[in-house]
Amino acid sequence: KAGVTQTPRYLIKTRGQQVTLSCSPISGHRSVSWYQQTPGQGLQFLFEYFSETQRNKGNFPGRFSGRQFSNSRSEMNVSTLELGDSALYLCASSLLSGGAPSTDTQYFGPGTRLTVL
Amino acid sequence: AQSVAQPEDQVNVAEGNPLTVKCTYSVSGNPYLFWYVQYPNRGLQFLLKYITGDNLVKGSYGFEAEFNKSQTSFHLKKPSALVSDSALYFCAVTIWSSASKIIFGSGTRLSIRP
Repeated sequence: KAGVTQTPRYLIKTRGQQVTLSCSPISGHRSVSWYQQTPGQGLQFLFEYFSETQRNKGNFPGRFSGRQFSNSRSEMNVSTLELGDSALYLCASSLLSGGAPSTDTQYFGPGTRLTVL
Repeated sequence: AQSVAQPEDQVNVAEGNPLTVKCTYSVSGNPYLFWYVQYPNRGLQFLLKYITGDNLVKGSYGFEAEFNKSQTSFHLKKPSALVSDSALYFCAVTIWSSASKIIFGSGTRLSIRP
């Protein structure tokens, strides 16, 4: 079974631009979560989607948004990029086998490394 | 509020020796605890998790972790370290709730010397 895939793997943008990152979950997985990883802040939860609905959200400004499609694929968008948005963005999928979303084992993609100049 | 702490930024162990990576947590309610490992330029990989039952949980690659409720700890252990175990390890905690989020520790870099 193919793992979680994320595209692109690397991105370089300039301040003020916007960016869209894509995540394809493991086949059959219905929940997709996004995380930001930086050396200073560590791993921080952005949001979680299930059945095209955002079920949970972390403490990030409204410039960070996402969506999920009917095939469970997900995108996240960051508008008006700032230097501090440079990070590794990780997507994780889970089966959501009956427990609460956060209690499921999550399977992570390789990440998209975003550099904002 | 939930929180998780990994008190050691780095742990250095000689190959063949036992290793321990520490994790303590704070939650209101029964915790779900996870360990993940991250290799360079890769996403996180699931190692093991504790939900309920036996306090000793066995996971991938020979790792195990012991849930200690009185000490609110979930330390990761391996009897004999391999050089290939060198990586960044994350402990995470959550509770069963539709509104709960998973909280990750700051990570511990494990370095195994030959």
